[in-house]
Amino acid sequence: GAGVSQSPRYKVAKRGQDVALRCDPISGHVSLFWYQQALGQGPEFLTYFQNEAQLDKSGLPSDRFFAERPEGSVSTLKIQRTQQEDSAVYLCASSPAGVNEQFFGPGTRLTVL
Amino acid sequence: SQKIEQNSEALNIQEGKTATLTCNYTNYSPAYLQWYRQDPGRGPVFLLLIRENEKEKRKERLKVTFDTTLKQSLFHITASQPADSATYLCALYSSASKIIFGSGTRLSIRP
Repeated sequence: GAGVSQSPRYKVAKRGQDVALRCDPISGHVSLFWYQQALGQGPEFLTYFQNEAQLDKSGLPSDRFFAERPEGSVSTLKIQRTQQEDSAVYLCASSPAGVNEQFFGPGTRLTVL
Repeated sequence: SQKIEQNSEALNIQEGKTATLTCNYTNYSPAYLQWYRQDPGRGPVFLLLIRENEKEKRKERLKVTFDTTLKQSLFHITASQPADSATYLCALYSSASKIIFGSGTRLSIRP
């Protein structure tokens, strides 16, 4: 009966490093979302999966950002050649279907030095 | 351009009073609107969803209204308690866009 989990909870990267952020959604949830949240702001949509299909990636800020969900459950958000402006909290959410009630994970706080 | 605005400043309310938070939007035709609560260091938690054809929704001490003419949703917490202190986010979903969040309103309930 666990909720959405994310790992790591905190990540410090040197500028230029690649990072991978993991999301374990609630078992059986079809939809999975990634958001970026800057301090004092609301979550900003990055990308959306329905099962293993990435249906919308229009929110990814650059081609350095890549997300996958190969088996329709666990998802990974990868950021290549991190830059300081990538510093934010990255939130993952899942829902049984579509864009209804979303269940959020605790987020991964990424700090790029 | 499309925009969502919530109360721009933090809201401070005396315990027991009703807190009212505002969410205004422009250039959207949302199919539905959601309200979430977010505590520091945690992800948002879903509270209520209201559809475009609904005027009002209630859940315990919470009430949400949705006026598509005014392009506004109001979120009320009655008999507020210090434990209600948090940031509250509104989020819109329309067929033409992803779910879009406002920047949130920080609510403080003082004893």
